[in-house]
Amino acid sequence: DADVTQTPRNRITKTGKRIMLECSQTKGHDRMYWYRQDPGLGLRLIYYSFDVKDINKGEISDGYSVSRQAQAKFSLSLESAIPNQTALYFCATSRDYTDTQYFGPGTRLTVL
Amino acid sequence: SQKIEQNSEALNIQEGKTATLTCNYTNYSPAYLQWYRQDPGRGPVFLLLIRENEKEKRKERLKVTFDTTLKQSLFHITASQPADSATYLCALETGGGNKLTFGTGTQLKVEL
Repeated sequence: DADVTQTPRNRITKTGKRIMLECSQTKGHDRMYWYRQDPGLGLRLIYYSFDVKDINKGEISDGYSVSRQAQAKFSLSLESAIPNQTALYFCATSRDYTDTQYFGPGTRLTVL
Repeated sequence: SQKIEQNSEALNIQEGKTATLTCNYTNYSPAYLQWYRQDPGRGPVFLLLIRENEKEKRKERLKVTFDTTLKQSLFHITASQPADSATYLCALETGGGNKLTFGTGTQLKVEL
């Protein structure tokens, strides 16, 4: 089984809808991250969490919120989706700040 | 402003040749730099990490150099194979070690 899983893998939604993307990991890492990837813009950090009680905004947090339900689970919510949030979303984990990041398979989100 | 630049144009090379990808950055002083490989529709996969006090790092057919004066990292794949075709991302440690900032990636195509 994959170490980092994301659900759903694909999602099409309408403008104004609330959606949640979920991430789970079995690596036992404390650090978790949410990125979005757009063509030509690369990976951009949305939120990151160092443990259940420590959540930080990334480069592009506006319009998003997160929840760290447990060490293994980190969810990303779009309270009111808009078309420019159409992107590929990745969750990642790492052991500590010098460690490599392990990415999930991604969620392709389309907002109509 | 802070910037990480990777060649946005695809790099096409012949099988067996050495591929060299470039990562240039400005206004950062990263303690380390990482390289990732990303296949279409999949999450990035870690390849190599090099620290600021290391000039060169090798792993099998891969070699990374890090020149903090030039603010540049070079990523080499020797004896390239079609299976090496992918997008390669460089990522710099930023935010005091709390996170990585990714370049936009360079697509490599290895032809028979």
